[in-house]
Amino acid sequence: QVQLQESGPGLVEPSGTLSLTCAVSGYSVRNGAFWSWVRQPPGQALEWIGEISHTGNTLYNPSLKSRATISLARSRNEFSLELKSVTAADTAVYYCVRSPGWWYLDFWGRGTLVTVSS
Amino acid sequence: QSALTQPPSVSGSPGQSVTISCTGTSSDVGTDNRVSWYQQPPGSAPKVIIFEVTKRPSGVPDRFSGSKSGYTASLTISGLQAEDEADYYCCSYTSSTYVFGTGTKVTVL
Repeated sequence: QVQLQESGPGLVEPSGTLSLTCAVSGYSVRNGAFWSWVRQPPGQALEWIGEISHTGNTLYNPSLKSRATISLARSRNEFSLELKSVTAADTAVYYCVRSPGWWYLDFWGRGTLVTVSS
Repeated sequence: QSALTQPPSVSGSPGQSVTISCTGTSSDVGTDNRVSWYQQPPGSAPKVIIFEVTKRPSGVPDRFSGSKSGYTASLTISGLQAEDEADYYCCSYTSSTYVFGTGTKVTVL
């Protein structure tokens, strides 16, 4: 069974950088599939942030205006998210997610709440 | 891209059927069959229940069914059960981007 687990600071200061890591178990990130980050502000809808393929190719939501970077650590079977210049609007539960390659998201982490505040 | 439009809430009694609509445009929902649906119980992560408009992943009850007509996709829950009370999101993959719907809260009366 594929499992994903997010980790990282729960509090980030405004204008700082949000950094999260997703540990994957039960599947090798080298084997294929696509690895995404999705976020959900409190009481609001889901928003896709971006994805990275097993070959390292990335795609991002244009609404984030190039603030996001997703990277892959094949040796640790992990992938990561960095989001620069954060504001209170970036406060959300962040999920790491797998796509098997057929345009849907099949395995989700439990999510981690990141609050942007001083 | 803008979020896909869903009704904020729908409700039904146990055993009834409810349908959730998801309206997009010719650039997303209307383009192809890359529409999926996710169920999110309170306090939990989302779970895929429909992909490619009509397909159900293994383990998802056949009470859940999907369809599409023009720019609108729909999710129908037949034989509503108490455990179906959750938020539901549609999603379209288009132009190398996932776009989610605004979300619908399903209440079992």
